[in-house]
Amino acid sequence: KAGVTQTPRYLIKTRGQQVTLSCSPISGHRSVSWYQQTPGQGLQFLFEYFSETQRNKGNFPGRFSGRQFSNSRSEMNVSTLELGDSALYLCASSFIGGLGGNTEAFFGQGTRLTVV
Amino acid sequence: ELKVEQNPLFLSMQEGKNYTIYCNYSTTSDRLYWYRQDPGKSLESLFVLLSNGAVKQEGRLMASLDTKARLSTLHITAAVHDLSATYFCAVTRVYNTDKLIFGTGTRLQVFP
Repeated sequence: KAGVTQTPRYLIKTRGQQVTLSCSPISGHRSVSWYQQTPGQGLQFLFEYFSETQRNKGNFPGRFSGRQFSNSRSEMNVSTLELGDSALYLCASSFIGGLGGNTEAFFGQGTRLTVV
Repeated sequence: ELKVEQNPLFLSMQEGKNYTIYCNYSTTSDRLYWYRQDPGKSLESLFVLLSNGAVKQEGRLMASLDTKARLSTLHITAAVHDLSATYFCAVTRVYNTDKLIFGTGTRLQVFP
């Protein structure tokens, strides 16, 4: 069974550009969440999607956006990149989307974004 | 606002020794997770704890949950070098969400 797949793995962008990151969840998983990991701020929640609907959003500026498609694949976009956006972006998928039970979130390998 | 605190932030321990990592959270939580992260890698799920008094063990790691004290512990028994990694606890606040609030992480180094 394939795990959570994130593409690309590494990305270098210039300030002011925009970037789109992709996440393919485990087959059958309908919930996808995104996190930003930096040395200074640690792991911070960005968004959560379930059945194409954004269910929760973290405390990030509007430059950060996301969406989920009907096949549960998700993308996140960051516009007008800033140096501080350099981070590891992690995507997680789970089966029943927090509807109780032993829900477990599985993480992808992440996309390492460097803004120069 | 749900906050999660871990301590210690950094732990250097000798092989064969025992130690405990603590995770405190500020308000009632639905679920508590422990994850492991190796340098440059993603997060590997270790344990999911759902109820008060829950205890789970895998190899040299044992996690427990006390919801009344809002405290979870990750106990390491007879540490080995392969356990060197950063360990995170994370909690969810409400039902019907997978939003995880992470602790600061504990960087564990095990030396001979």
